[in-house]
Amino acid sequence: EDQVTQSPEALRLQEGESSSLNCSYTVSGLRGLFWYRQDPGKGPEFLFTLYSAGEEKEKERLKATLTKKESFLHITAPKPEDSATYLCAVQARNSSNTGKLIFGQGTTLQVKP
Amino acid sequence: DVKVTQSSRYLVKRTGEKVFLECVQDMDHENMFWYRQDPGLGLRLIYFSYDVKMKEKGDIPEGYSVSREKKERFSLILESASTNQTSMYLCASRDVSYEQYFGPGTRLTVT
Repeated sequence: EDQVTQSPEALRLQEGESSSLNCSYTVSGLRGLFWYRQDPGKGPEFLFTLYSAGEEKEKERLKATLTKKESFLHITAPKPEDSATYLCAVQARNSSNTGKLIFGQGTTLQVKP
Repeated sequence: DVKVTQSSRYLVKRTGEKVFLECVQDMDHENMFWYRQDPGLGLRLIYFSYDVKMKEKGDIPEGYSVSREKKERFSLILESASTNQTSMYLCASRDVSYEQYFGPGTRLTVT
């Protein structure tokens, strides 16, 4: 069964304290892995797409990496405005036509000043 | 920029009412999706559509139906609202790179 597991569920950091969020996946052929940021009461905001193992994408203080079994979202020197829930989702090759995504439960990040 | 809009941010309805949630995207995307999001359960797919008048059930379609008469508009219908349908409803559309873009969400409360 296709599955996505994110850890930890919650993470508290001090401003400037770098860390990583994990997304482990089991899927029958990966078409793409997606990272989203979601602020309370709002819809998820697209961050990155990764397609193959070894790929990396960066945006400001965020860097996403991908292996054959997991993805990491590295946050370097976070600021309070990085506080949000980060969602990971995968799309299997056999659902390419429909675009159906499988979402993880998310990691809620709190960055304290 | 991709823009996905939803008809209401907050909605309060009574049990048994018929509820319409509308979603519009402006990027000519073929695929559109309806999710609900609940604490501890994450995002769950209700229905999706891959073309005008084409629809497919997601993981939790019971109690819902959808309509897609035009490419840019995808509507979610609660035939007879119940309290267990109180939730955050999110619409998304997908581009050719398989990335889904979400609307701002509708917080529905059924009393």
